[in-house]
Amino acid sequence: DTAVSQTPKYLVTQMGNDKSIKCEQNLGHDTMYWYKQDSKKFLKIMFSYNNKELIINETVPNRFSPKSPDKAHLNLHINSLELGDSAVYFCASSQAGGEETQYFGPGTRLLVL
Amino acid sequence: AQRVTQPEKLLSVFKGAPVELKCNYSYSGSPELFWYVQYSRQRLQLLLRHISRESIKGFTADLNKGETSFHLKKPFAQEEDSAMYYCALSGAGNNRLAFGKGNQVVVIP
Repeated sequence: DTAVSQTPKYLVTQMGNDKSIKCEQNLGHDTMYWYKQDSKKFLKIMFSYNNKELIINETVPNRFSPKSPDKAHLNLHINSLELGDSAVYFCASSQAGGEETQYFGPGTRLLVL
Repeated sequence: AQRVTQPEKLLSVFKGAPVELKCNYSYSGSPELFWYVQYSRQRLQLLLRHISRESIKGFTADLNKGETSFHLKKPFAQEEDSAMYYCALSGAGNNRLAFGKGNQVVVIP
């Protein structure tokens, strides 16, 4: 069974479109995260949710809006996509806070044309 | 503030040679240090964390609070060690995991 899953795996879209990436974890974890990995492989946290409550919101454009319908899901919606949004987006989860081991999804490769 | 520094971006080593990835951190509280690994086109996964004091796949890392370092070492590199390695830092009760910029390790056969 896949612990942390993301869909879609690949996403190619035009500038200006709106898209969503879904994430689900079946580990029973309380905390979920979204990370962005850029073309230089630099990994940076975007958001963190604990029990459906937003606890970390880095300096991310407000075109990015996370939504957590329940603690097993954390989706990422992106409005008005820009070229610079092209990256790999990783979802992760952990039992509690950041001091716990994080389990990552396979990533979603987003390419904005 | 939490900060993690990994100085070298790309490290090439011959198979059988020792490999050391440097990681230094800055954090005022009690740190939790991790090494995560990302093999080609795969998800990130935990390699090891300092509190477990384990050796995983021949890798070890010792937390040195005096030098604020958590260097990753392996005495004999293998081809399957080729991957991206990230040092990461968190603190007790802190939901934020700060990653270094990563080291790309290439093991030459």
